[in-house]
This record gives sequence, C-alpha cells and structure tokens, in this order.
Amino acid sequence: EPEVTQTPSHQVTQMGQEVILRCVPISNHLYFYWYRQILGQKVEFLVSFYNNEISEKSEIFDDQFSVERPDGSNFTLKIRSTKLEDSAMYFCASSEYVRDSHYGYTFGSGTRLTVV
Amino acid sequence: EDQVTQSPEALRLQEGESSSLNCSYTVSGLRGLFWYRQDPGKGPEFLFTLYSAGEEKEKERLKATLTKKESFLHITAPKPEDSATYLCAVQNTGRRALTFGSGTRLQVQP
Repeated sequence: EPEVTQTPSHQVTQMGQEVILRCVPISNHLYFYWYRQILGQKVEFLVSFYNNEISEKSEIFDDQFSVERPDGSNFTLKIRSTKLEDSAMYFCASSEYVRDSHYGYTFGSGTRLTVV
Repeated sequence: EDQVTQSPEALRLQEGESSSLNCSYTVSGLRGLFWYRQDPGKGPEFLFTLYSAGEEKEKERLKATLTKKESFLHITAPKPEDSATYLCAVQNTGRRALTFGSGTRLQVQP
C-alpha cells in the first residue's frame, strides 16, 4: 500500500538553528500538507501546497516557515530560526486532487522535532 | 471559526463491550467530516469520510454516523487491537485544511 515517507524520524536542534524536515508524498497525489502536533495537544494544520505554490496556510505558518518541492518527489518544510515552542511532531500528508475527501489524506509517521 | 469537540477524552472497555465515541462540531459549511485512528508515535490513519446528515459508513467493527451537529463512532465487540486514539476532523467548504478534535483515547482490555 502506498505510503508517505518522512525523514528524519527524530531531530534535535539548538534554538535559533534552521531545520529542514523532509517528506516523500504518494506519487500520484497532487496536494501536499504539513500538520503539527504538540505533545498532548490537537493536530494542527500548517500549510497546503498545490501546483508548486501554497494554496492555504494557517496563522501558525508565519515568516519563519517555508515549504518547497525541490524535485518531483520530495516536499520539505523549513523552519528558519527554531524556537522552543516549535518542539512538536510534524506530519506530512498528501491527497489526490478530485477524490481526496473520499479517500482522506494519507499521513506520514511524522518527524519529532525537539528544540533545546 | 470551525470547532471540533470529542468526548470522552479516554475510554476503557473490556473486550466485546460495545460503546460509542462522540464528535460535536461547528462549521460554517461542511465539506466532509473525517474519522482517523492514531497509534502512539504514528500519523493519523484514515477511517471514514461522512458528507451529509443521515449518512453512515462501516468498516469491520466500526460504524460512523453523522447528524447536523455531531458524529458518532460506534465500536461493536471491540478487540484489544482496536486500542488507539480516535480523531475526528472537519473540512470546511472551499478549504483544504482539516480541523481536528483532541481525540478519544480508547483502551480495550482482554
């Protein structure tokens, strides 16, 4: 069964450092997403990406965050200057274009980001 | 603002003891209501999408129903492997984002 792959599974970074989280979405999916889940809290939407541009973003997704699809398979989330409050599990997801509601979004297993 | 509230926060059942999880939602226009299962340290796993009041969907021991204000996830004769956190999410019309509830942590004891 196709899956969304995320690397690394766990990343520890110093406060103020830049971090890049990587994702390989399902190959025939056209919409890509980043969500995050702070420990013990709800899963929160960050951004959606379609046709090489951001289609929607939340208030959380400020200038410190950026997304990129550098090639035909990878989708990345960059945090420019990490803060302690950025510590969370970050989930990448992807979906088909037309039938995404019917089949749902496919989530990866996540990257646990710890900012120290 | 879209809102999703799930209850109870946690539920402990004996194997075979059926029960229901509740998801109350507020959304200006519902494109879809989603149920996901999340195992510890993993990403959410898609279960169902419901689109309109009165709709029902089933998968193995799970059955999801939808009204205009809430959705229920009924678990019939659960097994220990059904232990997980069950998440409810709504999608507003014209948006891509899903708004999640806090989840119900289900533990099924043998």
